[in-house]
Amino acid sequence: LAKTTQPISMDSYEGQEVNITCSHNNIATNDYITWYQQFPSQGPRFIIQGYKTKVTNEVASLFIPADRKSSTLSLPRVSLSDTAVYYCLVGVLSGGYNKLIFGAGTRLAVHP
Amino acid sequence: GAVVSQHPSRVICKSGTSVKIECRSLDFQATTMFWYRQFPKKSLMLMATSNEGSKATYEQGVEKDKFLINHASLTLSTLTVTSAHPEDSSFYICSADSPDSENTEAFFGQGTRLTVV
Repeated sequence: LAKTTQPISMDSYEGQEVNITCSHNNIATNDYITWYQQFPSQGPRFIIQGYKTKVTNEVASLFIPADRKSSTLSLPRVSLSDTAVYYCLVGVLSGGYNKLIFGAGTRLAVHP
Repeated sequence: GAVVSQHPSRVICKSGTSVKIECRSLDFQATTMFWYRQFPKKSLMLMATSNEGSKATYEQGVEKDKFLINHASLTLSTLTVTSAHPEDSSFYICSADSPDSENTEAFFGQGTRLTVV
């Protein structure tokens, strides 16, 4: 499973766009890139997943360059409720199931 | 999306006692579930893979006799912390894969806060 590197923490203000970049230099051909969000004392919640180029859903966008050695989670117009830890994971269905290994994550603080 | 529920959400127990935590997939069947432990301000650490009808697979450094896992049905996995000690106090989280074989999304329970006194 590829190791990921993210900034430990980030600060932003309400209404701003936040971009969190994750490095995964050893990503394998079959690996997907997935981002999860975790609030204190809750389980992680799926945000977005992609393989290459750009993926967008109702809450975020995920940008993946051609070499796939990094990815950027983009949160448009953050609010206070987006304060959370964001995890970037790289993995693939292995033996029929999805074994997730979490890195340190990025602690995002959104200020008024 | 699929729902994974844990029970209890919070438990306090005395040292030396055992505590059972349940993880249920409410609207889908999960042949495989995962158990994680998370200490304050730290990331999730995978403890074991729970397989329905067979023995769990534990990660290196996790004592299988200390953390008993039973996956007796396709919707229920249990984690029993045996002879609990204060250092076992932590946030325990389970997860299950999406029932959609084309989707690699995992669904997490809300977590169980264990405090051993």
